[in-house]
Amino acid sequence: EDQVTQSPEALRLQEGESSSLNCSYTVSGLRGLFWYRQDPGKGPEFLFTLYSAGEEKEKERLKATLTKKESFLHITAPKPEDSATYLCAVQADQVQGGSEKLVFGKGTKLTVNP
Amino acid sequence: DAGVIQSPRHEVTEMGQEVTLRCKPISGHDYLFWYRQTMMRGLELLIYFNNNVPIDDSGMPEDRFSAKMPNASFSTLKIQPSEPRDSAVYFCASSFMGSQPQHFGDGTRLSIL
Repeated sequence: EDQVTQSPEALRLQEGESSSLNCSYTVSGLRGLFWYRQDPGKGPEFLFTLYSAGEEKEKERLKATLTKKESFLHITAPKPEDSATYLCAVQADQVQGGSEKLVFGKGTKLTVNP
Repeated sequence: DAGVIQSPRHEVTEMGQEVTLRCKPISGHDYLFWYRQTMMRGLELLIYFNNNVPIDDSGMPEDRFSAKMPNASFSTLKIQPSEPRDSAVYFCASSFMGSQPQHFGDGTRLSIL
């Protein structure tokens, strides 16, 4: 069964204090790993897709990386507006019995204090 | 561009009542997904459609839940009869091709008393 575990569950940072969020996954064959941001009362907002180990994607203060077992979301010099819950999800390879479904982790709630 | 539109945003009803949640996907998207989010279980897929046809409904919890997609621009998720344990936030998402990112609506917060 495909599984995604995110850590930590919650993280408090001071503005400018860089850190990383972890997403560990178990999947029969990885088709894609997705990062989303979710603000209170809103739906998840797409950030990145990573497809193969060694791949990196960047957007403003966020950088996502991927290995064969985990992904990291690095946040450099965060600002209060980066406060949100960050969700990681995997999609399994259809050749190995996967489908279009995403399996989500429970998320990391990030709070950035000014 | 308009995103995924869900209605109602909030629904409060009594146990045993029928509940219907609605979703309008992004125009041109051929996949539509229904998810449920709770504190305990996180975000879980209930069912998804491709070109209006249900493909995988293995996440639908019970026969009380049903979903339809009569055309490319509209889908419903129905719960009949509703129970307090159905209280959650229900999200609809759509994508162009299954491997592309799914785009989510802002959800329906459902409370069953």
